[in-house]
Amino acid sequence: DTAVSQTPKYLVTQMGNDKSIKCEQNLGHDTMYWYKQDSKKFLKIMFSYNNKELIINETVPNRFSPKSPDKAHLNLHINSLELGDSAVYFCASSQDRTSGGTDTQYFGPGTRLTVL
Amino acid sequence: SQKIEQNSEALNIQEGKTATLTCNYTNYSPAYLQWYRQDPGRGPVFLLLIRENEKEKRKERLKVTFDTTLKQSLFHITASQPADSATYLCALDMDSSYKLIFGSGTRLLVRP
Repeated sequence: DTAVSQTPKYLVTQMGNDKSIKCEQNLGHDTMYWYKQDSKKFLKIMFSYNNKELIINETVPNRFSPKSPDKAHLNLHINSLELGDSAVYFCASSQDRTSGGTDTQYFGPGTRLTVL
Repeated sequence: SQKIEQNSEALNIQEGKTATLTCNYTNYSPAYLQWYRQDPGRGPVFLLLIRENEKEKRKERLKVTFDTTLKQSLFHITASQPADSATYLCALDMDSSYKLIFGSGTRLLVRP
């Protein structure tokens, strides 16, 4: 059984388009995240939701909008895509320390976004 | 703000040797520090966690040390194998927030 899944795995699109990436976790975790990994492999957090509530919102353009319909799902919608948005986007989940966890991240397989 | 540095972009060693990877941080000591492995085209996978009151942690051929005085963690792989070739990331917590900060990773290549 896949713990953290993302769709699609690859996404190729034109500049200016709007796209979404979906994420689901079946680990029963409270917290979910979106990370961006650029070409230099640096993994940077973008957003985090805890029990459907946004708790981390890093300096990310407001073209990026996360949505968490329930604590097992966290989607990422991107408007007006730009060339610089090309990267691998990882979803992750964790059981946070306030509920006995250690914030250990369980990552999805990643979505490689290419903006042409 | 907290910064993490991982030594050398790439580490190239002979099979059977011990690989030692370094993770240094700059500011306050985290409650714990974690190590992850990332293979090309895949998401990072959690390997080990060490708490601030622990000096050393082991798991099979892996060993992690944590020196809060030096603000450093060392990650060792003994009897390395070509299958250990991957990028290894260290990550530490940001105080009481839900956020982990990741280092840029060290790419390990184990030659047969």
